[in-house]
Amino acid sequence: NAGVMQNPRHLVRRRGQEARLRCSPMKGHSHVYWYRQLPEEGLKFMVYLQKENIIDESGMPKERFSAEFPKEGPSILRIQQVVRGDSAAYFCASSRLAGTDTQYFGPGTRLTVL
Amino acid sequence: AQTVTQSQPEMSVQEAETVTLSCTYDTSESDYYLFWYKQPPSRQMILVIRQEAYKQQNATENRFSVNFQKAAKSFSLKISDSQLGDAAMYFCAYRSTGTASKLTFGTGTRLQVTL
Repeated sequence: NAGVMQNPRHLVRRRGQEARLRCSPMKGHSHVYWYRQLPEEGLKFMVYLQKENIIDESGMPKERFSAEFPKEGPSILRIQQVVRGDSAAYFCASSRLAGTDTQYFGPGTRLTVL
Repeated sequence: AQTVTQSQPEMSVQEAETVTLSCTYDTSESDYYLFWYKQPPSRQMILVIRQEAYKQQNATENRFSVNFQKAAKSFSLKISDSQLGDAAMYFCAYRSTGTASKLTFGTGTRLQVTL
């Protein structure tokens, strides 16, 4: 029973490039959440998606960041024109149901912007 | 908006001893969920324990237990018989019961376990 999978585990980008982070939820889970962890800080919510729908994007920066969870395939967090301040660990979590269900986390993607 | 506060940036405990990590939160809601997550050096977020606010009984999971004081909005984690593998960052988190579902995390407590 595979857990939440994220790839790549480590991603290095130069300023101005695009970063694509992938998340495959646990089998049977249709709810995906993205969180960002800056160095020496706790995790901060970014966006919550169900299949083909963005439910809550209140934590997403207004520019350069977007997320999707298509009917087929993994959820993608996309960061355009990365800047040094985007360097962080990005975690994906999934749950089977909304509201009452526990969120299970993936191992995270560590993004480094040079 | 809900906030979660962990006032202990670092704690230390000797192996086999007991340690308590503190967490307080602020909310106007009457029903919600509280969690403790562990983040070892691998950075994987691991669920330690979960508490439903409507339950008066404190949750326990083997050596881990909580002291949930709803009126005081306090949710501390007690680790008994500490082991070297317990060394990690511990994060307290809050979640509403509505469909919003997002977790609000505290800033974490780094736990060291010494011989």
